[in-house]
Amino acid sequence: DSGVTQTPKHLITATGQRVTLRCSPRSGDLSVYWYQQSLDQGLQFLIQYYNGEERAKGNILERFSAQQFPDLHSELNLSSLELGDSALYFCASSARDRDTYEQYFGPGTRLTVT
Amino acid sequence: GQNIDQPTEMTATEGAIVQINCTYQTSGFNGLFWYQQHAGEAPTFLSYNVLDGLEEKGRFSSFLSRSKGYSYLLLKELQMKDSASYLCAVRGGGKLIFGQGTELSVKP
Repeated sequence: DSGVTQTPKHLITATGQRVTLRCSPRSGDLSVYWYQQSLDQGLQFLIQYYNGEERAKGNILERFSAQQFPDLHSELNLSSLELGDSALYFCASSARDRDTYEQYFGPGTRLTVT
Repeated sequence: GQNIDQPTEMTATEGAIVQINCTYQTSGFNGLFWYQQHAGEAPTFLSYNVLDGLEEKGRFSSFLSRSKGYSYLLLKELQMKDSASYLCAVRGGGKLIFGQGTELSVKP
């Protein structure tokens, strides 16, 4: 158990809908990262927050957005869902900002868009 | 840009040694990580290299050559539970970029 929690574990929804994925980092960690993992794309970095502020952006679509709240939990919002958005979404946390040493991954949310 | 290459799949025998290679191109290199991921599960940290050389951690070792943009993960005394995907990840420009992973199958 990494100490990172993600909810829900599974999510099934229809195209065009909007969903919110939630992540709570390990106690004391200030950085939160979001990743998307699909069969054909591997693990893709989406976005990073540090202590409430956006720090780095990867291949995140405009239909996706995220935020980190004062209690350090983070939410990833996915809207206008398409079939291709079906994937495992991982959240990871680390203690520091750019000088990260190791990221601890949560168990993931499996999103299925039908 | 950043590019990471590693073999798609490898097969090895229980008790043997296997080496998984990773080559990378990146700007602002600031460390290379190896993660293990079992199917449907979260990646778990194995090793980290930021300086050239070999880092040993039990049955697992990782090597880095920054001038060659090359790393390898060495797994000794293979066990069936080592069957998993091994992800090479490079940190640069404030981001951690993962390779596609190498699917390792350990046979009895």
